[in-house]
Amino acid sequence: AQKVTQAQTEISVVEKEDVTLDCVYETRDTTYYLFWYKQPPSGELVFLIRRNSFDEQNEISGRYSWNFQKSTSSFNFTITASQVVDSAVYFCALSEAGSNDYKLSFGAGTTVTVRA
Amino acid sequence: DSGVTQTPKHLITATGQRVTLRCSPRSGDLSVYWYQQSLDQGLQFLIQYYNGEERAKGNILERFSAQQFPDLHSELNLSSLELGDSALYFCASSFRMEPPDTQYFGPGTRLTVL
Repeated sequence: AQKVTQAQTEISVVEKEDVTLDCVYETRDTTYYLFWYKQPPSGELVFLIRRNSFDEQNEISGRYSWNFQKSTSSFNFTITASQVVDSAVYFCALSEAGSNDYKLSFGAGTTVTVRA
Repeated sequence: DSGVTQTPKHLITATGQRVTLRCSPRSGDLSVYWYQQSLDQGLQFLIQYYNGEERAKGNILERFSAQQFPDLHSELNLSSLELGDSALYFCASSFRMEPPDTQYFGPGTRLTVL
């Protein structure tokens, strides 16, 4: 069963527009961690944020912000005032503390294209 | 730069061959994970090692094997290669396993099987 769903396959915006990426997860664990990674065209996976299930505070880092809502099992990511360098594939991932491997279960990714 | 290194960056080989992918974790990290990224399967967990011991297996084929050496570097061996094994193979490392720690990814090895 898909544990992480990123319903948006592709999003295209013009520079300076805001863009919000949706992530919905599914788990029976009470303790779990959520992550976002960025994969630019060069191919590497860049860590953006880690959030545990007990910390529902929203977080802001520069132009990036994250909204964690346990009630709807969502961990959405917003890029404010997007720039061309934000063009990448963004992955949401889940790791369950009750598992024996702590592997990351990734969503399918959302491709963001920022046009100048 | 995550501090995780992977070699080679690209690998082109033929069906039926065997290849070895190498990964050096970040300094101080004890846990190594291998993932495969393909167009049809997305990012899939293959196998995990912690301080030299295998800890978990995911969707890893029997033709694939891995190990983590005393210096903590890891190798992923892929044998009897098929066209469908063409993918980007990532190694990731973390300091500890629990609670789920941040995994930092290497640049990946792009494998092309012809």
